[in-house]
Amino acid sequence: DSGVTQTPKHLITATGQRVTLRCSPRSGDLSVYWYQQSLDQGLQFLIQYYNGEERAKGNILERFSAQQFPDLHSELNLSSLELGDSALYFCASSVGGQASTNEKLFFGSGTQLSVL
Amino acid sequence: AQTVTQSQPEMSVQEAETVTLSCTYDTSESNYYLFWYKQPPSRQMILVIRQEAYKQQNATENRFSVNFQKAAKSFSLKISDSQLGDTAMYFCAFMKHVNAGNMLTFGGGTRLMVKP
Repeated sequence: DSGVTQTPKHLITATGQRVTLRCSPRSGDLSVYWYQQSLDQGLQFLIQYYNGEERAKGNILERFSAQQFPDLHSELNLSSLELGDSALYFCASSVGGQASTNEKLFFGSGTQLSVL
Repeated sequence: AQTVTQSQPEMSVQEAETVTLSCTYDTSESNYYLFWYKQPPSRQMILVIRQEAYKQQNATENRFSVNFQKAAKSFSLKISDSQLGDTAMYFCAFMKHVNAGNMLTFGGGTRLMVKP
């Protein structure tokens, strides 16, 4: 168990809908990262938050947004869903997130999103 | 742009034998960190081993070790005394600074099957 909690584990929804994925980082970790894993794109970095502030952005669509709350949990909002958004969405956390590139990322077990 | 390449989509090994998974990367940075992550059928992403680019000594973690060739930009993973529980997807990853944060870039993965 990595200590990173993601809910829900599975989500089935229809095209055009909006969903929210939730992540609770390990105790003491200030950074949260979101990744998308799909068969055609592999593991893609979406966004990083550190202590409530956005710190790095990857290939995140404009239809997607995220935030990190004062209690450090994070939510990833996916709107106007398309079939191609079906994927496994991972959250990861680390202690820091800015000063060095030796951060160990600990991953949650993911949310499997199916858009029908 | 930083890229990570894993040229072996699938590999197999007999239980108790040794197997090496290949990874090459491209970067213009001088100091960085490299990682191997394991994703078993449970889909959990598990950190296997980490290597600091400025350290010449290869990292080891029990049965897992790396062969880091900085000039060649090569970072292979050796698994000794393979066990059935090593069956998984293995991802090589490169950590770099992005904006004010960090981003972990993954290779396409190698599926390893350990046979009894």
